[in-house]
Amino acid sequence: QSVLTQPPSVSGAPGQRVTLSCTGSSSNIGAAYDVHWYQQLPGTAPKLLIYGNNNRPSGVPDRFSGSKSGTSASLAITGLQAEDEADYYCQSYDSSLSGWVFGGGTKLTVL
Amino acid sequence: QVQLVESGGGVVQPGRSLRLSCAASGFTFSSYGMHWVRQAPGKGLEWVAVMSYDGSNKYYADSVKGRFTISRDNSKNALFLEVNGLRAEDTAVYYCARSPLCSSASCPYYFDFWGQGTLVTVSS
Repeated sequence: QSVLTQPPSVSGAPGQRVTLSCTGSSSNIGAAYDVHWYQQLPGTAPKLLIYGNNNRPSGVPDRFSGSKSGTSASLAITGLQAEDEADYYCQSYDSSLSGWVFGGGTKLTVL
Repeated sequence: QVQLVESGGGVVQPGRSLRLSCAASGFTFSSYGMHWVRQAPGKGLEWVAVMSYDGSNKYYADSVKGRFTISRDNSKNALFLEVNGLRAEDTAVYYCARSPLCSSASCPYYFDFWGQGTLVTVSS
């Protein structure tokens, strides 16, 4: 069972907007630790997608955006494309566990 | 460009040991904290261990504490993970991942670059 909670799956049609949620607690997201997002394409290593709640590394399209409020965070993807089909993981730090924590991942299917 | 290349995985019997390596290039290795993160087949990501840039601090997930040991050799730009007392539930792809540079005020708690991973299979 993951410390951060993500829906197992989400889907959307090309061109649509989807939102992926990530719920934590008072010892991680709610404790003001930042939330970060990773994209894992099939058969590949994870890749940093969003850091510090809402910042994109160089090369990540602005179709991807992040937000955080209270004990939750969200990743929004606009203009959905076939190549966005992947697993998405949120991640933070937990002060009770003294360690880095992940969500269980959300599988995005582009219909 | 930043490159992280893991090696040392394989099939190992329960209770045995293995040493994983991560060869780093394309950046000043001795300036960065480094992590190991694992992913069991078909499952999510699990943080395993971290070592500070100079090797002075290291922390472990509770699930591996006492069995795994993280180390590094900055002269060889290499990160290691000694895995002992292996169990079936340790079967996973093990990734090394870089932590971004710390500022004078704080260290970022995320992973900016990942290797391609090395598979460890624990089976009799």
